[in-house]
Amino acid sequence: AQSVAQPEDQVNVAEGNPLTVKCTYSVSGNPYLFWYVQYPNRGLQFLLKYITGDNLVKGSYGFEAEFNKSQTSFHLKKPSALVSDSALYFCAVPDLGGYQKVTFGIGTKLQVIP
Amino acid sequence: DAGITQSPRHKVTETGTPVTLRCHQTENHRYMYWYRQDPGHGLRLIHYSYGVKDTDKGEVSDGYSVSRSKTEDFLLTLESATSSQTSVYFCAISQRGGDTQYFGPGTRLTVL
Repeated sequence: AQSVAQPEDQVNVAEGNPLTVKCTYSVSGNPYLFWYVQYPNRGLQFLLKYITGDNLVKGSYGFEAEFNKSQTSFHLKKPSALVSDSALYFCAVPDLGGYQKVTFGIGTKLQVIP
Repeated sequence: DAGITQSPRHKVTETGTPVTLRCHQTENHRYMYWYRQDPGHGLRLIHYSYGVKDTDKGEVSDGYSVSRSKTEDFLLTLESATSSQTSVYFCAISQRGGDTQYFGPGTRLTVL
């Protein structure tokens, strides 16, 4: 079965600094990978996805993610953090067999400090 | 929120009572999902639907049932609510299995 791991419960970064939120995955075959963001008292919003092709994926709000097959990682990055980026971030991977349920990580809380 | 509504948005109920949560979409997406979100557990799949009257269990389906009689509506029923079902419940939709999901605003359920 597919799985993702988000090793950090919380990441703190100063405003203006680069940020990284980590995700590793375990799937058989070539993975599809997703990042979602959840702002307080809201549902999750899609940020970006990797299907195939370029290992660097660009998404919404200036975020990007780097797919690394050898390290089975899909870390979320942003060159310069904003206070408004403070939120909960989820990595997710679908099961590409069957009816393709999606497994989410437990989430990483990003705190951007002014 | 991509044409997805959930009702009610907040509910407080007592142990042992039945509860039904409704998810309604206007996007005509084939797939619909119910998740619960709890601290330390992230998002866990309860049930999902891959078409009208086609549903299947997720990883935490015990104590929950679902129905989908038309494309736009997906109902989640707690047959006899327990305190362990206190949670925030999210509905999501997608056009294709394994593809991008779009989430509703959530329902906060408290079982006393």
